[in-house]
Amino acid sequence: AQSVTQLGSHVSVSEGALVLLRCNYSSSVPPYLFWYVQYPNQGLQLLLKYTSAATLVKGINGFEAEFKKSETSFHLTKPSAHMSDAAEYFCAVSELPGGYQKVTFGIGTKLQVIP
Amino acid sequence: DTEVTQTPKHLVMGMTNKKSLKCEQHMGHRAMYWYKQKAKKPPELMFVYSYEKLSINESVPSRFSPECPNSSLLNLHLHALQPEDSALYLCASSQVGYQETQYFGPGTRLLVL
Repeated sequence: AQSVTQLGSHVSVSEGALVLLRCNYSSSVPPYLFWYVQYPNQGLQLLLKYTSAATLVKGINGFEAEFKKSETSFHLTKPSAHMSDAAEYFCAVSELPGGYQKVTFGIGTKLQVIP
Repeated sequence: DTEVTQTPKHLVMGMTNKKSLKCEQHMGHRAMYWYKQKAKKPPELMFVYSYEKLSINESVPSRFSPECPNSSLLNLHLHALQPEDSALYLCASSQVGYQETQYFGPGTRLLVL
């Protein structure tokens, strides 16, 4: 089965600083990878997804992620953190056993933005 | 319209009660999902419906009973729950296929007393 590992359950950055959230995947086939964000008391919202079309993926709210096969990584970055970025971020991998999509989420990284 | 709606937003029930959670989408998606999310944990897949047929049951106890009456609606019937079933229950929908984005509802926060 495919899986993702998120390094760091909590990350704190100053407002305006670089955001880097780490995700490594384990997959025997080319993976389909996602980053979702969850604000308090809300559902999940897709930030971006990798589907092999391009290794650098741009998402919403200024986030982007780079797929690096050699490092089995799909880290999420944003050049300048904003207070509104404070949320829980989940890396996820998708597989299609038997014709239906199964998404497995990482443990999540809580991003704190310090004014 | 990229919205998945869930009702109710909050639910408190006793261990002997029967209740239902409802999820609705009008995006033409033919795959729908139920997830359970405990505090400070990632969502865990419970059920997947594909073309209104149950495709995945992740070994969920029978006190949770899913139902997909049509392509827009997904229900989760609850009966004889335990306090440890208290969690946020998320519904999602997508087109069928593993590149597809899942669209999540806001969830129902369930408390079992």
